[in-house]
Amino acid sequence: GAVVSQHPSWVICKSGTSVKIECRSLDFQATTMFWYRQFPKQSLMLMATSNEGSKATYEQGVEKDKFLINHASLTLSTLTVTSAHPEDSSFYICSARGQGTANYGYTFGSGTRLTVV
Amino acid sequence: GNSVTQMEGPVTLSEEAFLTINCTYTATGYPSLFWYVQYPGEGLQLLLKATKADDKGSNKGFEATYRKETTSFHLEKGSVQVSDSAVYFCALPLSGGYNKLIFGAGTRLAVHP
Repeated sequence: GAVVSQHPSWVICKSGTSVKIECRSLDFQATTMFWYRQFPKQSLMLMATSNEGSKATYEQGVEKDKFLINHASLTLSTLTVTSAHPEDSSFYICSARGQGTANYGYTFGSGTRLTVV
Repeated sequence: GNSVTQMEGPVTLSEEAFLTINCTYTATGYPSLFWYVQYPGEGLQLLLKATKADDKGSNKGFEATYRKETTSFHLEKGSVQVSDSAVYFCALPLSGGYNKLIFGAGTRLAVHP
């Protein structure tokens, strides 16, 4: 149990375009989802936390207008990188936490490698 | 808030060698502690966890004991394999709402035949 599906696994886009990344909990209800960014050979940096039906809470220094997060249902959260630029190229990973935390803890998606050219 | 410090890598070992990756933390109370593993090009997988002091988490031959006296959660494996080559992250929840996880810097392990 406790599977999180993240799509796409990789994407290449042109500068100025927007990219949407989806994170789905397949077999549990994810009351909270987290979005992380990881630079090469570095640790994970938390970008934002979202609760279903509420606005996301962004970490300091993360531009909420550039990284739009939607958590419209208990099984789906999306991260949209708007007007992408090469410096947005990175590995993005989502994590979901379900109701009855002790049962599931934190489950991570497989990540999305974004390359902006 | 809570914090975690993890030994820097990379760690290079021969197959069947003993592995220790150090992790220490500072925390309010006794939060759950986690080790995650990341294989090249992939997301994170939970390796093991411990939810209270003196608990020992174990999985796939890896072990870590929640030691409140030394505020440590060191990862160990008695005999590593080439397939264990990956990056290992120690993690714990940040205090406060939403219980977001914070991660150590990660330790890259390379195991050679």
